[in-house]
Amino acid sequence: EPEVTQTPSHQVTQMGQEVILRCVPISNHLYFYWYRQILGQKVEFLVSFYNNEISEKSEIFDDQFSVERPDGSNFTLKIRSTKLEDSAMYFCASTGTSGNYNEQFFGPGTRLTVL
Amino acid sequence: AQSVTQLGSHVSVSEGALVLLRCNYSSSVPPYLFWYVQYPNQGLQLLLKYTSAATLVKGINGFEAEFKKSETSFHLTKPSAHMSDAAEYFCAVSVRQGAQKLVFGQGTRLTINP
Repeated sequence: EPEVTQTPSHQVTQMGQEVILRCVPISNHLYFYWYRQILGQKVEFLVSFYNNEISEKSEIFDDQFSVERPDGSNFTLKIRSTKLEDSAMYFCASTGTSGNYNEQFFGPGTRLTVL
Repeated sequence: AQSVTQLGSHVSVSEGALVLLRCNYSSSVPPYLFWYVQYPNQGLQLLLKYTSAATLVKGINGFEAEFKKSETSFHLTKPSAHMSDAAEYFCAVSVRQGAQKLVFGQGTRLTINP
């Protein structure tokens, strides 16, 4: 069964460093998303991406964040200069066409720890 | 804007007992509603979804949920809890088709007592 994969599973970084979180969405999906979940809190939307551009972003997704689909398979989230408060679980998700009623398939997540 | 409220951050039931996890939503347009489950150290798995067809929706692992527009609710139930149901459950809402985001509730941690 197709699934969304994410690497690495755990990333530890120093404050101020750049990190890139990687995701491989399901191959025929068209819409891609990043969400984050700070420990003990709810899952929050960060950004959605369609047709090689951002379609919506939240207030959390400031200039420190960027997304890219560098090739036909990967979808990346870059944080330019990490802050302590960026420590969270980051989930990638993808969905196919609108006929799927936005059933989003989630990856296992990357736990980011900023020291 | 859409929002979701899950009543009860922790719910504890005995094995074999009824599971009821509450979810109320707010949306200015007809919503799509979802329940996701998260097992420890894992991602989010879709349990079931409401997409404006039948108001009683059946999902995986014996769970079901009923959409009640008048109450703006989408409560999740299971007649008989199993130990393997212990997990975090998230209710989520989205609107319109296309690349729309999911808005999640705070989550409810379900504990099953033997």
